[in-house]
Amino acid sequence: KQEVTQIPAALSVPEGENLVLNCSFTDSAIYNLQWFRQDPGKGLTSLLLIQSSQREQTSGRLNASLDKSSGRSTLYIAASQPGDSATYLCAVRSRLSASYGKLTFGQGTILTVHP
Amino acid sequence: DGGITQSPKYLFRKEGQNVTLSCEQNLNHDAMYWYRQDPGQGLRLIYYSQIVNDFQKGDIAEGYSVSREKKESFPLTVTSAQKNPTAFYLCASSIADTGTQYFGPGTRLLVL
Repeated sequence: KQEVTQIPAALSVPEGENLVLNCSFTDSAIYNLQWFRQDPGKGLTSLLLIQSSQREQTSGRLNASLDKSSGRSTLYIAASQPGDSATYLCAVRSRLSASYGKLTFGQGTILTVHP
Repeated sequence: DGGITQSPKYLFRKEGQNVTLSCEQNLNHDAMYWYRQDPGQGLRLIYYSQIVNDFQKGDIAEGYSVSREKKESFPLTVTSAQKNPTAFYLCASSIADTGTQYFGPGTRLLVL
């Protein structure tokens, strides 16, 4: 059974800092990995999707990397801003035949960026 | 505007009552999903549908039912058999069952 863990559970940083959010998964047989952002009381917004054949994806100040062999992904946020404050979720789509197509989510990292 | 809509934003359920949450998408996506989000537990998959008139149970389907009569619509019914329905419910869709998932704004269900 695929399990996804995100560390840290919460992070508070001053504006302007570069930061890294971590995601680990137990089964490396994945199809892809997706990073989401969730604002309080809202739905999820997709940030980046990395296919299993890729090593990283970039969008603006965001860069996500994937290391399947070690079961890890990181989300790097450059020059953080107060508007980046949100919960960041990592989700893995496994290749397991019994759960093909299903996303398994981590519990998220709550990020607060102080002005 | 293309996107996913969920209604209502808040829903109150009385003891023994069935309630239905609406999810509509105009993205022309084949696959649709229902998730439940509880504090500290992340998102868990309730049901998913890869094509019209077909759907499969997720990890926590007990006490829930769905239908997929139209490509655009995937309503979720929370039945009286679901003993702990209070949660935030999120609907999502994707082009195929392996593509990027796009989420609606969610429905918060509360028990009176």
